[in-house]
Amino acid sequence: QSALTQPASVSGSPGQSITISCTGTSSDVGHFNLVSWYQQHPGKVPKLMISEVNKRPSGVSNRFSGSKSGNTASLTISGLQAEDEADYYCSSYASSSTPVVFGGGTKLTVL
Amino acid sequence: QITLKESGPTLVKPTQTLTLTCTFSGFSLRTYGVGVGWIRQPPGKALEWLTLIYWDNDKRYSPSLKSRLTITKDTSKNQVVLTMTSMDPVDTATYYCAHYYWTSGHYFDYWGQGILVTVSS
Repeated sequence: QSALTQPASVSGSPGQSITISCTGTSSDVGHFNLVSWYQQHPGKVPKLMISEVNKRPSGVSNRFSGSKSGNTASLTISGLQAEDEADYYCSSYASSSTPVVFGGGTKLTVL
Repeated sequence: QITLKESGPTLVKPTQTLTLTCTFSGFSLRTYGVGVGWIRQPPGKALEWLTLIYWDNDKRYSPSLKSRLTITKDTSKNQVVLTMTSMDPVDTATYYCAHYYWTSGHYFDYWGQGILVTVSS
């Protein structure tokens, strides 16, 4: 399984909304509603932000939302805040034999 | 409260075998729906999934690294062990273990702090 494709970087100003895309194939992202998103601040441990395309774990701000269309999943962050500046990774279930595939990561810069 | 912690050598020589242990608490690997996985991250690079072990001892490996990886569990000790053979400098990375919830969602919801392993002679 190849890694999922994410833009290397995105940026936005405080208060704005941004969207990070995650493109897979009809065998992974397009086939299962099992996309998750992780936030990683520099030097820190990844944190689960979204599971099953659009479910927020307890404690995650409702400014974070997920969606999917075809083979592409998206993470939207509304009302950007300085603390949102981090790397974001998508992941998808791909198959019983390869249950996990990650994207290449996207660096979010808050201008 | 679920916690995980990786332990093992932080420096290994090329060609050596790496053995890392993940010691966890707050859950049991005897419980249906539970798994533990290993993920690594080279400095400045992306996350890479390595392997998973499920509650029933079923195991999954990254296709690209399958020949070099072994994952085992000791449920009595609440530990999962990763073995990676033929270490190379490109394997220098932070290695994380994480709790995997797969009954419905298939995601890593709790992560260890990670251990930086450097491969160098």
